Amino acid sequence: EDQVTQSPEALRLQEGESSSLNCSYTVSGLRGLFWYRQDPGKGPEFLFTLYSAGEEKEKERLKATLTKKESFLHITAPKPEDSATYLCAATGGTSYGKLTFGQGTILTVHP
Amino acid sequence: DAGVIQSPRHEVTEMGQEVTLRCKPISGHDYLFWYRQTMMRGLELLIYFNNNVPIDDSGMPEDRFSAKMPNASFSTLKIQPSEPRDSAVYFCASSLVRGGDFEQFFGPGTRLTVL
Repeated sequence: EDQVTQSPEALRLQEGESSSLNCSYTVSGLRGLFWYRQDPGKGPEFLFTLYSAGEEKEKERLKATLTKKESFLHITAPKPEDSATYLCAATGGTSYGKLTFGQGTILTVHP
Repeated sequence: DAGVIQSPRHEVTEMGQEVTLRCKPISGHDYLFWYRQTMMRGLELLIYFNNNVPIDDSGMPEDRFSAKMPNASFSTLKIQPSEPRDSAVYFCASSLVRGGDFEQFFGPGTRLTVL
């Protein structure tokens, strides 16, 4: 059974204090590793897809990386508006659709 | 593009009543997904369709839940009869599989409360 585990459950940062979120996965034949951002009362918003170990993608202050066992979401010099829940999901085998989500990391950035 | 549209945004009903949630996917997308999100279990896939055909419904909790996709622009998730443990936020998502890309785009969700 596919499993995705995120850590920490919650992270509190000061504005400008860089850090990383972790996503460990156990997926047979990884087809894609996804990062989403979810604000309260809204649906998850797509951030990145990573397909193979060694791949990296960046968007503004966010950078996602992938190894054979885990993915990291690095946040550089965060701002209060980066506060949200960050979700990691993975799919494997021949499926395009069956995403397994982690429980998420609640990020709070204080000014 | 308007994105994925869901209705209603909020639904409060009494135990035993029938509930129907609606979804309009992004135009041109060929996959549609129904998820349920709770504090205890997080985000869980219930069922997904490809070209209007159900592909995997193994996440549907029990026979009280059913989903249909009569055409490419509309899907419903029905709960009959509803129970308090069905209270959750239900999300619809859609995607277009093109080459190696297949990211899913989520709607705003329907918050269901069963009293």
